Amino acid sequence: GAGVSQTPSNKVTEKGKYVELRCDPISGHTALYWYRQSLGQGPEFLIYFQGTGAADDSGLPNDRFFAVRPEGSVSTLKIQRTERGDSAVYLCASSSGTGLYNEQFFGPGTRLTVL
Amino acid sequence: AQSVTQPDIHITVSEGASLELRCNYSYGATPYLFWYVQSPGQGLQLLLKYFSGDTLVQGIKGFEAEFKRSQSSFNLRKPSVHWSDAAEYFCAVGGQAGTALIFGKGTTLSVSS
Repeated sequence: GAGVSQTPSNKVTEKGKYVELRCDPISGHTALYWYRQSLGQGPEFLIYFQGTGAADDSGLPNDRFFAVRPEGSVSTLKIQRTERGDSAVYLCASSSGTGLYNEQFFGPGTRLTVL
Repeated sequence: AQSVTQPDIHITVSEGASLELRCNYSYGATPYLFWYVQSPGQGLQLLLKYFSGDTLVQGIKGFEAEFKRSQSSFNLRKPSVHWSDAAEYFCAVGGQAGTALIFGKGTTLSVSS
């Protein structure tokens, strides 16, 4: 009964570099969410997948951010031309169905530091 | 605008004392309300949720919360705090047709012996 896992747990990069953050949801969960948690803030919604497609990407801050879930399981959040303001903990969550009636289970997060 | 306010950034409670963490929300439709706890190095864990019905909801670890529509509040309570309850607590709101949670900034709970 593994939970949501995220790799790496920590990522340090330099300004302008490209990074990929991975999320492995709970097996069988069809919905997958990405959130970003900046220091001293609550998690902020980025994007939501139902299956392979992004059902709601309204939280992505700009076109440097992109996420994929090609086989409906693992998801990768990709950030191009990283900026210092991208430093945050990136959280992934999964749930067994659509809508907030289905509990979202969160992973431990990836802490991204952009120098 | 949809938002969640947690007025207390940091609270310290003596072990064995009662606890109340405040949460106020602004939401245009019927809200779904949640409380999550986040311990260092751990993912967010759901404590309890309110969708409809009885306005007093029970959660895990002895927590409860009361939905008060007239006050737009969903305060979290525990009658007797344990040292292991020290963590960060987040209130969140969402809608019936929605998928994304809107979180407050969190309240850090410290427990003194």
